[in-house]
Amino acid sequence: DVKVTQSSRYLVKRTGEKVFLECVQDMDHENMFWYRQDPGLGLRLIYFSYDVKMKEKGDIPEGYSVSREKKERFSLILESASTNQTSMYLCASRQTVALYGYTFGSGTRLTVV
Amino acid sequence: AQSVTQLDSQVPVFEEAPVELRCNYSSSVSVYLFWYVQYPNQGLQLLLKYLSGSTLVESINGFEAEFNKSQTSFHLRKPSVHISDTAEYFCAVSRGGSNYKLTFGKGTLLTVNP
Repeated sequence: DVKVTQSSRYLVKRTGEKVFLECVQDMDHENMFWYRQDPGLGLRLIYFSYDVKMKEKGDIPEGYSVSREKKERFSLILESASTNQTSMYLCASRQTVALYGYTFGSGTRLTVV
Repeated sequence: AQSVTQLDSQVPVFEEAPVELRCNYSSSVSVYLFWYVQYPNQGLQLLLKYLSGSTLVESINGFEAEFNKSQTSFHLRKPSVHISDTAEYFCAVSRGGSNYKLTFGKGTLLTVNP
């Protein structure tokens, strides 16, 4: 089975801290995605990457950046964490062709205090 | 651009009752359609997908969805639900081809009561 592993299940950070959320997939997928999930708002796309060193903004990129130096790893960076970034963060990966759908990680629940 | 509307944010049902979770989409091109399920405190799992061919698609745990092009709908159904089906369900749409991202609906919370 394809595995998408998010490094932390729960994370508590202080306002202003720089936060790194890591995501690793083991099936050589080209595409990787970061979403945040909030009650009543569903999944909102933050950033995605078609391939190594490529990245594109999603619907809500403000306050975030990403890094994809290796094919298997896609990192989400909160440059200066704020309380409104408290959320569930979901990473997903997929082969290039859209028909395969996404494989999701288990999520990281981030609380910024 | 494409969009997905899940018409019900919450659907409570009793065990062994039938259920339908509604999903409508809009797109100017041909699309692939997906249903994902999220159990409490977990990530999303692919439940079923429509790519082409037969408009009725089935999952291994008794759910089915029917693609209706004229109605631009992809409703999810199950004839008899179990307590273990309690979860949030997300409908999603994608263009065909390469490197197109999924657009998700806001989700429907299915609660199955004894």
